[in-house]
Amino acid sequence: SQTIHQWPATLVQPVGSPLSLECTVEGTSNPNLYWYRQAAGRGLQLLFYSVGIGQISSEVPQNLSASRPQDRQFILSSKKLLLSDSGFYLCAWRRSSGELFFGEGSRLTVL
Amino acid sequence: AQTVTQSQPEMSVQEAETVTLSCTYDTSESDYYLFWYKQPPSRQMILVIRQEAYKQQNATENRFSVNFQKAAKSFSLKISDSQLGDAAMYFCAYRSAYSGAGSYQLTFGKGTKLSVIP
Repeated sequence: SQTIHQWPATLVQPVGSPLSLECTVEGTSNPNLYWYRQAAGRGLQLLFYSVGIGQISSEVPQNLSASRPQDRQFILSSKKLLLSDSGFYLCAWRRSSGELFFGEGSRLTVL
Repeated sequence: AQTVTQSQPEMSVQEAETVTLSCTYDTSESDYYLFWYKQPPSRQMILVIRQEAYKQQNATENRFSVNFQKAAKSFSLKISDSQLGDAAMYFCAYRSAYSGAGSYQLTFGKGTKLSVIP
Protein backbone atom coordinates (compact mmCIF):
# COMPACT_ATOMS: atom_id res chain seq x y z
CA SER A 1 0.00 0.00 0.00
CA GLN A 2 1.03 3.58 -0.54
CA THR A 3 2.20 5.77 2.30
CA ILE A 4 3.30 9.35 2.51
CA HIS A 5 5.47 10.89 5.18
CA GLN A 6 6.68 14.37 5.83
CA TRP A 7 9.01 15.87 8.39
CA PRO A 8 9.70 17.56 10.61
CA ALA A 9 6.28 17.57 12.24
CA THR A 10 6.96 20.80 14.08
CA LEU A 11 9.45 23.54 13.39
CA VAL A 12 10.14 26.88 15.06
CA GLN A 13 12.44 29.14 13.10
CA PRO A 14 13.57 32.77 13.39
CA VAL A 15 12.81 35.27 10.66
CA GLY A 16 15.47 35.19 7.98
CA SER A 17 16.52 31.60 8.59
CA PRO A 18 16.32 28.89 5.92
CA LEU A 19 13.68 26.19 5.67
CA SER A 20 13.57 22.66 4.41
CA LEU A 21 10.51 20.44 4.67
CA GLU A 22 10.74 16.97 3.21
CA CYS A 23 8.08 14.64 1.90
CA THR A 24 8.46 11.09 0.66
CA VAL A 25 5.99 8.67 -0.86
CA GLU A 26 6.30 4.92 -0.78
CA GLY A 27 4.51 2.19 -2.66
CA THR A 28 3.98 4.05 -5.92
CA SER A 29 6.10 5.31 -8.78
CA ASN A 30 6.05 8.62 -10.63
CA PRO A 31 3.34 10.14 -8.45
CA ASN A 32 2.04 13.67 -8.88
CA LEU A 33 3.10 15.49 -5.72
CA TYR A 34 1.76 18.64 -4.14
CA TRP A 35 2.58 21.13 -1.39
CA TYR A 36 -0.32 22.92 0.29
CA ARG A 37 -0.35 25.51 3.02
CA GLN A 38 -3.11 25.86 5.55
CA ALA A 39 -3.26 29.17 7.38
CA ALA A 40 -5.30 29.55 10.55
CA GLY A 41 -9.02 29.74 9.85
CA ARG A 42 -8.59 29.11 6.15
CA GLY A 43 -8.75 26.23 3.76
CA LEU A 44 -5.83 24.84 1.87
CA GLN A 45 -3.83 26.82 -0.64
CA LEU A 46 -1.90 25.00 -3.34
CA LEU A 47 1.70 26.16 -3.42
CA PHE A 48 3.53 23.79 -5.78
CA TYR A 49 2.95 20.64 -7.73
CA SER A 50 5.25 18.27 -9.55
CA VAL A 51 4.54 15.71 -12.25
CA GLY A 52 8.05 14.25 -12.28
CA ILE A 53 11.69 14.55 -11.25
CA GLY A 54 12.91 18.10 -11.64
CA GLN A 55 9.49 19.36 -12.78
CA ILE A 56 8.00 21.99 -10.52
CA SER A 57 5.04 24.26 -11.10
CA SER A 58 4.27 27.15 -8.82
CA GLU A 59 0.71 28.24 -8.22
CA VAL A 60 1.38 31.18 -5.94
CA PRO A 61 4.34 33.60 -6.13
CA GLN A 62 6.02 33.68 -2.76
CA ASN A 63 9.08 33.34 -0.67
CA LEU A 64 9.13 29.57 -1.02
CA SER A 65 10.52 27.12 -3.55
CA ALA A 66 10.15 23.42 -4.19
CA SER A 67 12.34 20.73 -5.62
CA ARG A 68 11.95 17.11 -6.63
CA PRO A 69 15.37 15.49 -6.65
CA GLN A 70 14.01 11.94 -6.74
CA ASP A 71 10.86 10.30 -8.01
CA ARG A 72 9.25 9.96 -4.61
CA GLN A 73 10.79 12.91 -2.81
CA PHE A 74 9.42 16.44 -2.70
CA ILE A 75 11.09 19.25 -0.77
CA LEU A 76 9.78 22.65 0.22
CA SER A 77 12.42 25.27 0.90
CA SER A 78 13.08 28.87 1.67
CA LYS A 79 16.31 30.81 1.84
CA LYS A 80 14.95 33.43 4.24
CA LEU A 81 11.74 32.89 6.15
CA LEU A 82 9.19 35.62 6.72
CA LEU A 83 6.68 35.88 9.53
CA SER A 84 3.94 35.32 6.97
CA ASP A 85 5.38 31.90 6.14
CA SER A 86 4.03 30.52 9.40
CA GLY A 87 1.39 27.88 8.88
CA PHE A 88 0.63 24.24 8.47
CA TYR A 89 2.18 22.65 5.40
CA LEU A 90 0.78 19.54 3.84
CA CYS A 91 2.32 17.33 1.22
CA ALA A 92 0.03 15.19 -0.91
CA TRP A 93 0.15 12.71 -3.74
CA ARG A 94 -2.53 12.02 -6.29
CA ARG A 95 -3.90 8.58 -6.79
CA SER A 96 -4.69 7.40 -10.30
CA SER A 97 -8.38 7.60 -9.45
CA GLY A 98 -7.96 11.31 -8.77
CA GLU A 99 -8.07 11.70 -5.01
CA LEU A 100 -5.36 13.40 -3.04
CA PHE A 101 -3.80 11.68 -0.06
CA PHE A 102 -2.06 13.84 2.46
CA GLY A 103 0.91 13.48 4.74
CA GLU A 104 0.80 14.18 8.43
CA GLY A 105 1.63 17.84 8.00
CA SER A 106 4.38 20.14 9.27
CA ARG A 107 3.64 22.99 11.63
CA LEU A 108 5.96 25.93 10.97
CA THR A 109 6.17 28.86 13.35
CA VAL A 110 8.34 31.78 12.33
CA LEU A 111 9.30 34.09 15.18
CA ALA B 1 -12.96 31.21 -10.44
CA GLN B 2 -14.61 28.60 -8.34
CA THR B 3 -15.49 29.24 -4.73
CA VAL B 4 -16.53 26.87 -1.98
CA THR B 5 -18.55 28.08 0.99
CA GLN B 6 -19.12 26.32 4.27
CA SER B 7 -21.54 28.48 6.21
CA GLN B 8 -21.26 26.63 9.52
CA PRO B 9 -17.94 27.38 11.26
CA GLU B 10 -18.84 25.06 14.13
CA MET B 11 -21.38 22.35 14.80
CA SER B 12 -22.01 19.81 17.49
CA VAL B 13 -23.82 16.50 17.58
CA GLN B 14 -24.75 14.03 20.26
CA GLU B 15 -23.03 10.69 20.04
CA ALA B 16 -25.07 8.20 17.96
CA GLU B 17 -27.11 11.00 16.40
CA THR B 18 -27.02 12.28 12.84
CA VAL B 19 -25.54 15.55 11.70
CA THR B 20 -25.44 17.31 8.33
CA LEU B 21 -22.67 19.67 7.27
CA SER B 22 -23.45 22.17 4.54
CA CYS B 23 -21.39 23.14 1.54
CA THR B 24 -22.22 25.27 -1.46
CA TYR B 25 -20.02 26.09 -4.40
CA ASP B 26 -19.99 28.40 -7.33
CA THR B 27 -18.84 27.31 -10.75
CA SER B 28 -19.69 27.77 -14.38
CA GLU B 29 -18.38 24.32 -15.29
CA SER B 30 -20.55 21.31 -15.86
CA ASP B 31 -18.04 18.59 -15.07
CA TYR B 32 -16.23 18.52 -11.77
CA TYR B 33 -15.57 16.56 -8.60
CA LEU B 34 -16.53 17.31 -5.05
CA PHE B 35 -14.87 16.00 -1.92
CA TRP B 36 -15.23 16.00 1.80
CA TYR B 37 -12.01 15.83 3.79
CA LYS B 38 -11.69 15.30 7.51
CA GLN B 39 -8.90 16.81 9.57
CA PRO B 40 -8.78 15.41 13.13
CA PRO B 41 -6.68 16.99 15.88
CA SER B 42 -3.70 15.04 14.57
CA ARG B 43 -3.99 17.44 11.59
CA GLN B 44 -3.63 14.84 8.83
CA MET B 45 -6.18 15.43 6.09
CA ILE B 46 -8.18 12.32 5.32
CA LEU B 47 -10.46 11.84 2.36
CA VAL B 48 -13.97 11.00 3.52
CA ILE B 49 -15.98 10.84 0.33
CA ARG B 50 -15.99 11.99 -3.28
CA GLN B 51 -18.72 12.74 -5.79
CA GLU B 52 -18.52 13.04 -9.55
CA ALA B 53 -20.78 15.76 -10.90
CA TYR B 54 -21.96 13.63 -13.78
CA LYS B 55 -23.32 11.02 -11.40
CA GLN B 56 -26.81 11.64 -10.11
CA GLN B 57 -26.52 9.02 -7.41
CA ASN B 58 -25.30 10.34 -4.10
CA ALA B 59 -22.03 8.86 -2.87
CA THR B 60 -22.01 6.79 0.30
CA GLU B 61 -19.16 5.49 2.46
CA ASN B 62 -20.38 3.54 5.46
CA ARG B 63 -21.82 6.12 7.88
CA PHE B 64 -21.01 9.02 5.58
CA SER B 65 -23.25 10.07 2.75
CA VAL B 66 -23.74 13.17 0.66
CA ASN B 67 -26.72 15.04 -0.67
CA PHE B 68 -25.58 16.38 -4.01
CA GLN B 69 -27.90 18.93 -5.59
CA LYS B 70 -26.20 19.99 -8.80
CA ALA B 71 -28.73 22.61 -9.83
CA ALA B 72 -28.55 24.24 -6.42
CA LYS B 73 -24.75 23.77 -6.29
CA SER B 74 -25.06 22.18 -2.92
CA PHE B 75 -23.02 19.30 -1.51
CA SER B 76 -23.86 18.45 2.09
CA LEU B 77 -22.32 15.69 4.18
CA LYS B 78 -24.43 13.55 6.45
CA ILE B 79 -22.80 11.62 9.26
CA SER B 80 -25.02 8.94 10.75
CA ASP B 81 -24.55 7.28 14.14
CA SER B 82 -21.94 9.87 15.10
CA GLN B 83 -18.94 8.60 17.01
CA LEU B 84 -16.42 10.38 19.20
CA GLY B 85 -13.79 9.77 16.54
CA ASP B 86 -15.78 11.85 14.09
CA ALA B 87 -14.82 15.01 15.93
CA ALA B 88 -12.69 17.00 13.51
CA MET B 89 -12.58 19.83 11.03
CA TYR B 90 -14.42 18.96 7.86
CA PHE B 91 -13.50 20.58 4.59
CA CYS B 92 -15.52 20.60 1.43
CA ALA B 93 -13.45 20.80 -1.75
CA TYR B 94 -14.04 21.30 -5.45
CA ARG B 95 -11.96 20.15 -8.34
CA SER B 96 -12.55 20.94 -11.96
CA ALA B 97 -12.62 18.01 -14.33
CA TYR B 98 -10.86 20.24 -16.83
CA SER B 99 -7.66 20.70 -14.85
CA GLY B 100 -4.39 20.08 -16.61
CA ALA B 101 -2.68 16.75 -16.39
CA GLY B 102 -0.58 17.71 -13.43
CA SER B 103 -2.44 20.49 -11.77
CA TYR B 104 -4.81 19.45 -9.08
CA GLN B 105 -6.53 22.66 -8.24
CA LEU B 106 -8.56 21.68 -5.26
CA THR B 107 -10.49 24.65 -4.01
CA PHE B 108 -11.29 24.26 -0.33
CA GLY B 109 -13.92 25.78 1.90
CA LYS B 110 -12.87 27.23 5.22
CA GLY B 111 -14.06 24.24 7.15
CA THR B 112 -16.61 23.26 9.77
CA LYS B 113 -15.47 22.20 13.20
CA LEU B 114 -17.56 19.27 14.38
CA SER B 115 -17.75 18.39 18.05
CA VAL B 116 -19.25 15.11 19.22
CA ILE B 117 -20.86 15.16 22.65
CA PRO B 118 -20.72 11.90 24.60
